[in-house]
This record gives sequence, structure tokens and C-alpha cells, in this order.
Amino acid sequence: AQSVSQHNHHVILSEAASLELGCNYSYGGTVNLFWYVQYPGQHLQLLLKYFSGDPLVKGIKGFEAEFIKSKFSFNLRKPSVQWSDTAEYFCAAAGNSGYALNFGKGTSLLVTP
Amino acid sequence: GAGVSQSPRYKVAKRGQDVALRCDPISGHVSLFWYQQALGQGPEFLTYFQNEAQLDKSGLPSDRFFAERPEGSVSTLKIQRTQQEDSAVYLCASSLVGQVNTGELFFGEGSRLTVL
Repeated sequence: AQSVSQHNHHVILSEAASLELGCNYSYGGTVNLFWYVQYPGQHLQLLLKYFSGDPLVKGIKGFEAEFIKSKFSFNLRKPSVQWSDTAEYFCAAAGNSGYALNFGKGTSLLVTP
Repeated sequence: GAGVSQSPRYKVAKRGQDVALRCDPISGHVSLFWYQQALGQGPEFLTYFQNEAQLDKSGLPSDRFFAERPEGSVSTLKIQRTQQEDSAVYLCASSLVGQVNTGELFFGEGSRLTVL
């Protein structure tokens, strides 16, 4: 079955610390991968996406993610987090068939000053 | 409006009541999705429309759930005889293109349903 798993459910970091959030997917065939973010009180919005090409994808606000096919992973990274990065982060995947974007359970990130 | 608009933002229903949740997608967006997000979980796909056609309803949890988009713009998600397990945030998303695997989804702020 197609699925997305996120390993860290709650992460607490100090400002300026580096961030890496894990995401693994289980899909046969071609897969497109996404990271969405939900800031407190706001709607889900796209951080970055991978369809093909360079496996290192850069998104908004200094975030990047690396697609490693051999590990079925698409981890999100940021070298230095800010307090404003406090949010819920969701990894998502879509295959070439069907219409569902499958989400992981999310990781809640708290950045302390 | 500039974004996806959902109403009501909050709904409290007694068990057994029917509810209707409305979604106004971004103007011109072909695709419209409904997702259900339970507390502490990621969004779970419910159904997908391309214009007025409901192309996928595989995620609807029971026949008490019904969605429509009669004119290819506004959509309504209806839940009949609500149960406590229906308590969740119901998210609507729209996309300009007709394929979820290539298009960015724009989400609304959701309708939080609490069934007592």
C-alpha cells in the first residue's frame, strides 16, 4: 500500500540550530514528493516539491529537501532555524495513478528563542 | 477572494444531526479536493473533483458522506447522521491543473466539526 511515514512527531530546537525532519515513502513506480507547512492558525501551504531532476530541492524560507531513491527518503533540512519556523510540517507523496495526495502524520516543530 | 474559503469555520453538532460544509475554491481552479484531518494526524484524502465531475470518492469513510460540485466551482461536503468519530477538521484544497501529482494544492483553513 502507498504510504508516507514521518519519524519525528515532536521536535524542539533552539534558534540557530540545524533541522532535519525525516520522511520515508512506500510507493511503486514514479513518485512525486512534497513538504507542506502549517503555521499556527494558518492554512497548509507548500514548502517545496520534487518531481524529477536534481534530487536536492530548494524551497521557500531557506528550506531544502533531498530525494534519496535508494532509501525511499525525502528529508527536510534547514541549516539554521528561526523562532518563526515553529509550525507543523507534513511530508506528502503522489503517484502517477489516482488523485490522492498522501500525507504523513506530521512533525510539530517548536523553536525556542 | 484570493484563497480557498471554507465555511463554517467551526461546527458543533449533536450525534445524529446532518451537517453541510462549504468550500469556495480559487476562481478558475479545475481540481478540488476534500481531506479529513483527525487530531494529531495528517490529512486523509476523501474525494476529488475535476470541474463538476467527481472522479475519485474512494476515501469517503461511509455512505453517510456525500460531496458535490454541481457547477464546477463551489463544493459542499455533507455528512448525514453524524457520529462522534466524524469529529475532525475538514480541509478543502484546489489546484489549477487537473493532476494532483503535478500541481500545487492550495488549502483552505478548514472546518472544524465537533460531534457531541
